[in-house]
Amino acid sequence: DSGVTQTPKHLITATGQRVTLRCSPRSGDLSVYWYQQSLDQGLQFLIQYYNGEERAKGNILERFSAQQFPDLHSELNLSSLELGDSALYFCASSKGLLGPGELFFGEGSRLTVL
Amino acid sequence: GESVGLHLPTLSVQEGDNSIINCAYSNSASDYFIWYKQESGKGPQFIIDIRSNMDKRQGQRVTVLLNKTVKHLSLQIAATQPGDSAVYFCAEVDNFNKFYFGSGTKLNVKP
Repeated sequence: DSGVTQTPKHLITATGQRVTLRCSPRSGDLSVYWYQQSLDQGLQFLIQYYNGEERAKGNILERFSAQQFPDLHSELNLSSLELGDSALYFCASSKGLLGPGELFFGEGSRLTVL
Repeated sequence: GESVGLHLPTLSVQEGDNSIINCAYSNSASDYFIWYKQESGKGPQFIIDIRSNMDKRQGQRVTVLLNKTVKHLSLQIAATQPGDSAVYFCAEVDNFNKFYFGSGTKLNVKP
């Protein structure tokens, strides 16, 4: 158990809809990262927050947004969903901005868009 | 982002043999390289990392080798066990602390 909690574990929705994925980082970790993993693909970095502020942005679509709250949990909002958004969405956390081996992943939220 | 890829998508080995998983990267300025293991239904787990100023690092049954000349990273697993069956990802970390992951190699350990 990495200590990173993600909900929901599974989510099925329709195209055009909007969903929110939630992540609670490990106790004491200030950074939260979101990754997308499509079938047979590697992990695509979406966005990073550090202590409530956006720190780095990756290949995140404009239809997607995220935030980190004062209690350090984070939410990833996916809107106007398309079939291609079906994927595993992972949250990871680390204590600081980053150091080697400090990234701990949750078990992911599997999103299926029908 | 930077390109990080893997040479072999699937690797099958016999239990007890050594496994070698390879990875190519493109950003010569990357400072850290990390190997992750992802078991079915779980998130990636850290295995071992290496800084760019090293060419070899050993852990428990695992060794990472870094060849900066050809931008190549490898993970060696000694005495591979059934529990090692998983997808292995390499990742490079750039100087903006962004991780770039390869697409993964599936390791299948045959009993």
